Amino acid sequence: DAMVIQNPRYQVTQFGKPVTLSCSQTLNHNVMYWYQQKSSQAPKLLFHYYDKDFNNEADTPDNFQSRRPNTSFCFLDIRSPGLGDAAMYLCATSRESTGTDTQYFGPGTRLTVL
Amino acid sequence: AQSVSQHNHHVILSEAASLELGCNYSYGGTVNLFWYVQYPGQHLQLLLKYFSGDPLVKGIKGFEAEFIKSKFSFNLRKPSVQWSDTAEYFCAVNARGGFKTIFGAGTRLFVKA
Repeated sequence: DAMVIQNPRYQVTQFGKPVTLSCSQTLNHNVMYWYQQKSSQAPKLLFHYYDKDFNNEADTPDNFQSRRPNTSFCFLDIRSPGLGDAAMYLCATSRESTGTDTQYFGPGTRLTVL
Repeated sequence: AQSVSQHNHHVILSEAASLELGCNYSYGGTVNLFWYVQYPGQHLQLLLKYFSGDPLVKGIKGFEAEFIKSKFSFNLRKPSVQWSDTAEYFCAVNARGGFKTIFGAGTRLFVKA
């Protein structure tokens, strides 16, 4: 029944230790997004894929990378997490990227950086 | 740059009270507008959306929103809230023809039984 799955739900890492968050979808959607949401703030788009085409937001730090090996999976890599990267990371999908498409969200991964 | 402002961060209502959550956006062009909801322990999900036609949009669970272009607003309403409406509500906007959705910071609604 789950459509957008994120693993793990909770991730604890140490300052500077690389971490990878994963997202998978059963909707066969073309577009996959990664958002960062800090406490009491709006979700902020980091980047998105349309199929294999990667689109980075201008203000996304270089510390954040992403991979989409196939339609179903997308990964968020944080190369050297800092304390300021502690947040909820949301994965979402949409069928197309016309702007009117509904986004389907996963439950999120809460990242803690020690 | 586009931005979305939600007026209230926290709202507390009693059951059967009427609800109106404010949302204003800044963007000069044509927009698509959304309200998403996150129930406790669940993921964000679409409540309703507007991109053309009747500016009064009806969504799930008795919610509706009205697009007022002259006020750059898309307020969410429900005539009579239930305890099960306790959730966080996010207004979102993207530019027509674009994909990037800008979210507001959310409004946490708590409905007292």
